Amino acid sequence: AQSVTQLDSQVPVFEEAPVELRCNYSSSVSVYLFWYVQYPNQGLQLLLKYLSGSTLVESINGFEAEFNKSQTSFHLRKPSVHISDTAEYFCAVRAPLWPGGSTLGRLYFGRGTQLTVWP
Amino acid sequence: EAQVTQNPRYLITVTGKKLTVTCSQNMNHEYMSWYRQDPGLGLRQIYYSMNVEVTDKGDVPEGYKVSRKEKRNFPLILESPSPNQTSLYFCASSLSGNHYNEQFFGPGTRLTVL
Repeated sequence: AQSVTQLDSQVPVFEEAPVELRCNYSSSVSVYLFWYVQYPNQGLQLLLKYLSGSTLVESINGFEAEFNKSQTSFHLRKPSVHISDTAEYFCAVRAPLWPGGSTLGRLYFGRGTQLTVWP
Repeated sequence: EAQVTQNPRYLITVTGKKLTVTCSQNMNHEYMSWYRQDPGLGLRQIYYSMNVEVTDKGDVPEGYKVSRKEKRNFPLILESPSPNQTSLYFCASSLSGNHYNEQFFGPGTRLTVL
C-alpha cells in the first residue's frame, strides 16, 4: 500500500524567509504526487503535481517541488514566503494501479503541515 | 463556474438522528469521493464512486453510507451519528479515477454530533 509522511506538523517562519515543507512517501509501485493547500475555512486546492517528465514542478505562486525517486521524497519549497502563504499544506500520492491490479483512483494524504508566516 | 458544492456547511446534531450531507458537481466528473479531516490525521477516505451506481469503501467507511444514482450527486448518509463522527467532511470529484486527474474539493461540512 501507499503511505505519505509529512515530517513537520508545524512550520513557523518570518515573512520573506525561505521555507521547505518535507514529504516522503512509500510505495511498491510508481506513484503520482500532489501538493494541496488549505487556506483557513476553505476546501483544498491543488498547488502542484508531478506525473512524469521534469522532476522539478512549479506552481503559479512561487512554490516548487522536486520529485526524488531515490529518496522517495517530494519536498515543497519557496524561496521567499508571504503572510498570505499561511495555510495548511497536504502532500498526497495516487497510484495508477494497486498491487492487486485494480485501478481504484484513490488519493492518500499526509497528515498536513501548518505553515505560519509571521511579519 | 465549475465547482463542487456541499450542504450544509455547518451542522450540529444529536446522537442517533439520521442526517444526509449532499454533494454535487457540475463538471460531468465520473469519480467522486468523501473524506473526513481530523486534527493530526490528515484526510482519510470514507467512500468513493467510480461512476453511477458504482461505489466502494475507502479507509474509514464504518457508520456511513453513500449512493450514486446520478452522475452529479454523491450524498453521504449517517444513519445513526455518534460523537466520534464529529469531523470536517470534504467531497471531491475528478474526471475519472485515473491517477493523473486532479481532484476538485468542495468547501467542507463541519459536523458536530452531541
